[in-house]
Amino acid sequence: GDSVTQMEGPVTLSEEAFLTINCTYTATGYPSLFWYVQYPGEGLQLLLKATKADDKGSNKGFEATYRKETTSFHLEKGSVQVSDSAVYFCALSDNTGGFKTIFGAGTRLFVKA
Amino acid sequence: ETGVTQSPTHLIKTRGQQVTLRCSSQSGHNTVSWYQQALGQGPQFIFQYYREEENGRGNFPPRFSGLQFPNYSSELNVNALELDDSALYLCASSWGLAAQETQYFGPGTRLLVL
Repeated sequence: GDSVTQMEGPVTLSEEAFLTINCTYTATGYPSLFWYVQYPGEGLQLLLKATKADDKGSNKGFEATYRKETTSFHLEKGSVQVSDSAVYFCALSDNTGGFKTIFGAGTRLFVKA
Repeated sequence: ETGVTQSPTHLIKTRGQQVTLRCSSQSGHNTVSWYQQALGQGPQFIFQYYREEENGRGNFPPRFSGLQFPNYSSELNVNALELDDSALYLCASSWGLAAQETQYFGPGTRLLVL
């Protein structure tokens, strides 16, 4: 069945460091891919998305490119801030055989000043 | 614009009991999805409702059931509660059936089964 695998955390970085959180997926159809973020004390919210191969999603300095050949959707940011500390979830949504969304286990990011 | 709301925020039940959780969609949204999030894990898809019909279901037993009402609000019902049902239950609303639609999440209901 469909699945999402993302790198385990926690990830601890210093402010202004480069961030990569790896995400790979398996899917039988042609899914849309998402990164959701959960800031401390807040609910899940969309960070960015890409709906077809080679699309790049971007928001708040974060980027991810939908790579069909490597079945990946890695999240990157060139310079993290303390305010980026949160849990990041990679997810796919697919309508094949009825709608479903699959989330990864989440990666907790700590950014130190 | 009103966001997604859920009630109650917290709930304690005992094994074998039944529970009903409620969700109000964001204004203008006609699709609701429900998720179970265990501590330290990602959300797991339970099912989705579109215009009062179930549109997709994850790997959850039939004792997990739902309803969507004409105003697009929704209920999640869980019968014969088990200890493993203790989790945060999230609902999310969106517009339409397309897989690329953004889902807007509520704050969740935390259920503890003793």
